Amino acid sequence: QVHLQQWGAGLLKTSETLSLNCDVSGGSLSGYSWAWIRQSPRRGLEWVGEITDSGTNNYNPSLRGRVTISKDTSKSQVSLRLTAVTAADTALYFCARARSYDVLTGLTAYDVWGQGTEVTVSS
Amino acid sequence: DIRMTQSPTSLSASVGDRVIITCRASQSVADYFNWYHQKPGQAPKLLIYGASRLQSGVPSRFSGSRYGTDFSLTITSLQPEDVGTYFCQQSFNNPRSFGQGTKVDI
Repeated sequence: QVHLQQWGAGLLKTSETLSLNCDVSGGSLSGYSWAWIRQSPRRGLEWVGEITDSGTNNYNPSLRGRVTISKDTSKSQVSLRLTAVTAADTALYFCARARSYDVLTGLTAYDVWGQGTEVTVSS
Repeated sequence: DIRMTQSPTSLSASVGDRVIITCRASQSVADYFNWYHQKPGQAPKLLIYGASRLQSGVPSRFSGSRYGTDFSLTITSLQPEDVGTYFCQQSFNNPRSFGQGTKVDI
């Protein structure tokens, strides 16, 4: 059974860099895309971005170049880095596995999620 | 960006009731559409993928359907463990987007 364990600093000041990690156990990073999704009362569920099996990144344009998602296969870990944070980045952050259910059509869904990390940005 | 609009925002039903939640996409997403259920303090859980395909381990009382850009999630007989918030999501293109959620209580 695949398990995603998130960790990282949850309290930041404005302009600092958010750094979160997601350790994958019980399965491989290979063969899947990996996403970060955040949730806040104001914005609901918001897709931050993904890293594909081949290492291609796709990011939400709303984050204006502040976001980097990377993976370390040797550590079985996916990471999120968000620079120049503001109060608007305060949210519950989730990592999630994007499973492809149909290779031909590219049909995907987030079938495994981490436990979530509460991030608060204050001035 | 594709906007996903759910209705209703919340509903209250009795155990055994048939519950229907809808989601409309602002443009065609074909069957690149998923439903999730989130209980308080937990991460979302995948229920339906590809508009109508039941995720492994999900009870058969859940079903999904599509008509154009309108999608429905049906719970045929609401159970106490079904309380929480339901979200729709499109995986047609980037950025992926979610509905605002439908809160279900008993």
